Amino acid sequence: SQTIHQWPATLVQPVGSPLSLECTVEGTSNPNLYWYRQAAGRGLQLLFYSVGIGQISSEVPQNLSASRPQDRQFILSSKKLLLSDSGFYLCAWSVILAGAGTQYFGPGTRLLVL
Amino acid sequence: GDSVTQMEGPVTLSEEAFLTINCTYTATGYPSLFWYVQYPGEGLQLLLKATKADDKGSNKGFEATYRKETTSFHLEKGSVQVSDSAVYFCALKGNTPLVFGKGTRLSVIA
Repeated sequence: SQTIHQWPATLVQPVGSPLSLECTVEGTSNPNLYWYRQAAGRGLQLLFYSVGIGQISSEVPQNLSASRPQDRQFILSSKKLLLSDSGFYLCAWSVILAGAGTQYFGPGTRLLVL
Repeated sequence: GDSVTQMEGPVTLSEEAFLTINCTYTATGYPSLFWYVQYPGEGLQLLLKATKADDKGSNKGFEATYRKETTSFHLEKGSVQVSDSAVYFCALKGNTPLVFGKGTRLSVIA
């Protein structure tokens, strides 16, 4: 069966520090991978998605970037964190990008920028 | 672009009450529709889905019917339990990754 891991589970970082969040998927090949952010009191915002190694689509311009160095690894990064980067970051995967394909979510990383 | 609108929360119900959470959507073509649930401190779990008009998704006593004529996918449960307390997200998937509504927080009190 497929599983998705995210780490760390919780992170407290000072403003201006770098960020690296990691997501890995097991039990499937060539998944579509996604990063979402859930800010306090707001809904889920799609940040990035990837259909293959090195292929990244950005949905919103911001202080973050994503990379996919391996087939089942998706990394979310920032060079300098802002207060507004605080939130709950969710990684997801799917077999099919569009249509009926279900997206499966990881447990999330809670980031607090102080 | 595609969008989802769901009722604002929070919703507070007594145990065994009837639940309805409204969800409407705007999309080109024929999207698939989903309800996800997020329990406190956890990620999102798929609750149910429907892939074409008039399909009914169901799981754990929850139901939602894909109504193309009203562009709706309302979530219902006949008798809620305290363990149903969570945030519920309506979402659609057309030609892009999932588009979510803002979520509705449900609190069920004993």
